[in-house]
Amino acid sequence: DGGITQSPKYLFRKEGQNVTLSCEQNLNHDAMYWYRQDPGQGLRLIYYSQIVNDFQKGDIAEGYSVSREKKESFPLTVTSAQKNPTAFYLCASSLRQGGETQYFGPGTRLLVL
Amino acid sequence: SQQGEEDPQALSIQEGENATMNCSYKTSINNLQWYRQNSGRGLVHLILIRSNEREKHSGRLRVTLDTSKKSSSLLITASRAADTASYFCATDALTDSWGKLQFGAGTQVVVTP
Repeated sequence: DGGITQSPKYLFRKEGQNVTLSCEQNLNHDAMYWYRQDPGQGLRLIYYSQIVNDFQKGDIAEGYSVSREKKESFPLTVTSAQKNPTAFYLCASSLRQGGETQYFGPGTRLLVL
Repeated sequence: SQQGEEDPQALSIQEGENATMNCSYKTSINNLQWYRQNSGRGLVHLILIRSNEREKHSGRLRVTLDTSKKSSSLLITASRAADTASYFCATDALTDSWGKLQFGAGTQVVVTP
């Protein structure tokens, strides 16, 4: 059963805490992405990775960090430096380049306590 | 930055009617894609249309592209309650050598029985 999985579905963050969102794909895709979606808005790119051990900042990278140690995995850490982290976070992947069709995970909703 | 802008922001129709939504963008593109998002879920790819194509069909979906006007339209024919969702256009700008998608804010479609 191929696809992208994200966990957890809901995540609660306390002030000053770092939290990590998981994203795993078994599509054998080279490229992976993290987007943030706020209510009634489109997707904004946080980070993207074209290949293992490489990643680039997107439009809103401040307060976030990523790693790409394995092709299948692209975890996102929301650090305490991100002052407004409440949002819906979507992970996606594409076969090679960013302009190709992207396949999305089900999303993680992050809420601040 | 948002490249695509959808219009209208929201659309309410009855089952069996057609739904049309438009997307305008600012810079030249390699391709334009349409995605659907059900409430609280990830995005699902619908259609990709390349800059040298003018029209594409997929089932009840018809997409047109007018590069001279920098606009695209998505038509859903004979709509069903299951078509209730938000629809996003995403553009792959010609100026971006690797190709990151820029998403619009979406059109929210409600289909009532």
